[in-house]
Amino acid sequence: AQKITQTQPGMFVQEKEAVTLDCTYDTSDPSYGLFWYKQPSSGEMIFLIYQGSYDQQNATEGRYSLNFQKARKSANLVISASQLGDSAMYFCAMSPLTQGGSEKLVFGKGTKLTVNP
Amino acid sequence: ETGVTQTPRHLVMGMTNKKSLKCEQHLGHNAMYWYKQSAKKPLELMFVYNFKEQTENNSVPSRFSPECPNSSHLFLHLHTLQPEDSALYLCASGNPGGYLSGANVLTFGAGSRLTVL
Repeated sequence: AQKITQTQPGMFVQEKEAVTLDCTYDTSDPSYGLFWYKQPSSGEMIFLIYQGSYDQQNATEGRYSLNFQKARKSANLVISASQLGDSAMYFCAMSPLTQGGSEKLVFGKGTKLTVNP
Repeated sequence: ETGVTQTPRHLVMGMTNKKSLKCEQHLGHNAMYWYKQSAKKPLELMFVYNFKEQTENNSVPSRFSPECPNSSHLFLHLHTLQPEDSALYLCASGNPGGYLSGANVLTFGAGSRLTVL
């Protein structure tokens, strides 16, 4: 079974500073994908970044980067130059990458990020 | 319209009512998903439909009845619900294709917030 653990219920960061949101995972699948989603108060889950377990380099998307450490089973999200609009819930998720599978996502409990002006 | 649209955004119902949630995607995806988001719990996958066929039922009580008439529309029919069913119900769409196709990034709607009295 897969499991995602996000140990930080809430995080605070000053505007324009960087912040790291922690995520550890557990799986027995040989290939898997790791995702981060953002959920503002409006409710919609917004995809931020993806890392495949077979990828050699850490993923980056604009101000978002994923610090992937496979041996430690961690996939931390780094947000650089935080903005007020980054205040939201952030969810780490994973899915197995099995041929023909439905690739259902399993989510962590989330981290509430608050960016202070 | 683009993306994934869910209606209604808010719904209040009694335990004896029958109501339905609707989801529509305009992304040309093949699969659609229902997730339940309760307070302080991880998102829980409820159902998966791939090419209109149900491929996943995550032990959901029969008072929740999904319907997928085509790849663009997904419904969740609700009847004789319990107060503990109050939650945010999120619909998503994606293209699962197995690991050779890369990541299946789900696109979510804004959710339907259900309150059962």
